[in-house]
Amino acid sequence: DAGVIQSPRHEVTEMGQEVTLRCKPISGHDYLFWYRQTMMRGLELLIYFNNNVPIDDSGMPEDRFSAKMPNASFSTLKIQPSEPRDSAVYFCASSRSGSRAGNTIYFGEGSWLTVV
Amino acid sequence: GENVEQHPSTLSVQEGDSAVIKCTYSDSASNYFPWYKQELGKGPQLIIDIRSNVGEKKDQRIAVTLNKTAKHFSLHITETQPEDSAVYFCAATRGSTLGRLYFGRGTQLTVWP
Repeated sequence: DAGVIQSPRHEVTEMGQEVTLRCKPISGHDYLFWYRQTMMRGLELLIYFNNNVPIDDSGMPEDRFSAKMPNASFSTLKIQPSEPRDSAVYFCASSRSGSRAGNTIYFGEGSWLTVV
Repeated sequence: GENVEQHPSTLSVQEGDSAVIKCTYSDSASNYFPWYKQELGKGPQLIIDIRSNVGEKKDQRIAVTLNKTAKHFSLHITETQPEDSAVYFCAATRGSTLGRLYFGRGTQLTVWP
């Protein structure tokens, strides 16, 4: 089975530009998570969805960040306008409730964002 | 919310030696404790997990122990190999949150040949 698929893998953009990160969760998974990883703050949960509905967005830094999940197989994380402090690795992850694996979360390979 | 602390932040061992990474958590209701390994340029990958109804779990060279009373859990890697070099993260969560993990800050493990 394919794992969590993220795109782009790398993105370099100028300050003020809009950035859109994309994610395809593992088929059949009903939870989707967006994490951000930086040296300073480690792995931070930004937002997560259950059955395409946002459950907890308390980790979203500010209004410049938004996330959507229009269907079970696709999610986006958008930053508009981007700032240099948004430079980080953004991970999408998914899991399936009620499975024998329990709360196992599977991560994608990440989107490496650099804002100059 | 939950607060997970992880130590040490860096760990260097000789090939063949054992490595131990320790984590503490604050929420006594947490009942699921996974460990993730992150190799350079990749996403975290689950290597072992433990639930609160057991005190120890082993998978080949990797073992995890849990002390619910003291609210700490540890990862033990025996007979370390250079390919074990990576960043290891512990995490904790309540089952009711169905996967909303709280991560430690990570341990950079380096295994010297």
